[in-house]
Amino acid sequence: GAGVSQSPSNKVTEKGKDVELRCDPISGHTALYWYRQRLGQGLEFLIYFQGNSAPDKSGLPSDRFSAERTGESVSTLTIQRTQQEDSAVYLCASSFGQGAPNYGYTFGSGTRLTVV
Amino acid sequence: QKEVEQDPGPLSVPEGAIVSLNCTYSNSAFQYFMWYRQYSRKGPELLMYTYSSGNKEDGRFTAQVDKSSKYISLFIRDSQPSDSATYLCAMSPYGNNRLAFGKGNQVVVIP
Repeated sequence: GAGVSQSPSNKVTEKGKDVELRCDPISGHTALYWYRQRLGQGLEFLIYFQGNSAPDKSGLPSDRFSAERTGESVSTLTIQRTQQEDSAVYLCASSFGQGAPNYGYTFGSGTRLTVV
Repeated sequence: QKEVEQDPGPLSVPEGAIVSLNCTYSNSAFQYFMWYRQYSRKGPELLMYTYSSGNKEDGRFTAQVDKSSKYISLFIRDSQPSDSATYLCAMSPYGNNRLAFGKGNQVVVIP
């Protein structure tokens, strides 16, 4: 596709429910990233994929969070037993290759998650 | 102390003014420095990047990096209402794909 596509764009869920967030990166981009942006905060790194492997998942805040990537393409971020503090915009980005980030990421528009 | 500090205070300027934004950082391993622009309800888009110290100019935008002071700046000349957005600094060590972001500055350019 022309850009990074994320779905859904908005999600309201009840506390305790599980949610799945989807990211379709730019075709050919082997690197994929998930970040979280809470209101008034900077972007918080969650996980990085190179191909289908996740060499850095140190940013996942708890074992309720997991992510996978298949076919070196689509990625899904799953949050189990959602809590109110999980409310945030979840941003996905992709880029060419690994190593120097000077190619820059291309971000999607994000999924705005609200836990009520 | 956070790795990247960016005073998140909003900034309002009249059209045509120079906008000056800055970030400080603590990790001396950072080599790549970026500025992203984020419009409301959109993802950040890469505006400028600089490797190591020095200046880089692109049209009305100038990015400066002073590694000795661990200080980076973004200047926007002849600001336009379309420049109204949140500006985030980001940085990374060489070979590391994980970016550390500042909190962002909301800039409003008043016509």
